Amino acid sequence: GESVGLHLPTLSVQEGDNSIINCAYSNSASDYFIWYKQESGKGPQFIIDIRSNMDKRQGQRVTVLLNKTVKHLSLQIAATQPGDSAVYFCAENGVGSGNTGKLIFGQGTTLQVKP
Amino acid sequence: GAVVSQHPSWVICKSGTSVKIECRSLDFQATTMFWYRQFPKQSLMLMATSNEGSKATYEQGVEKDKFLINHASLTLSTLTVTSAHPEDSSFYICSAQWDRGQETQYFGPGTRLLVL
Repeated sequence: GESVGLHLPTLSVQEGDNSIINCAYSNSASDYFIWYKQESGKGPQFIIDIRSNMDKRQGQRVTVLLNKTVKHLSLQIAATQPGDSAVYFCAENGVGSGNTGKLIFGQGTTLQVKP
Repeated sequence: GAVVSQHPSWVICKSGTSVKIECRSLDFQATTMFWYRQFPKQSLMLMATSNEGSKATYEQGVEKDKFLINHASLTLSTLTVTSAHPEDSSFYICSAQWDRGQETQYFGPGTRLLVL
């Protein structure tokens, strides 16, 4: 069935290093993708989004890459800081959600930043 | 911009009572709001989609008579957990969209519900 999944449940990186969080999606009809950051006990926070007509989009210290050929999405965080420690979720709009605006969420990757 | 608030942030109630959670878009009008629940170390599970002025659309397996949703204005949606039981204890999160053409959802801070 349709699903959005993440390759690794936990990612541990050293402060200052770059982080790469991966996401695989199965619905080739999805044309909109979002990354969210969720800190413990809080709601998800929008990080960056990308549409399927783009391969790459950059924000402040973050870059999202989309590979439609292999249905892969990644979030790159430059110079990872302790404040980046959180759970990161990818989400896609999926088939048929254009009329409802629903998103399909992946299972999440925990990013741990070591000082 | 795109700030969403929830109230209360946490609530403890006795089994059998009802609890109302409010979700407000503070600086924009939200034609659509979504309600999720999240268990520890799990992803978000969509419960229902709420459109202003119309009935909510519930996901499969979610009891509409137990989780009452009202979206009376473009800035306010409420979720009422009726006759709450311990298994309803969870983290409830709402999100809001500007309109259906903008698919980005902006989330509230969540409400922690504990039913004793």
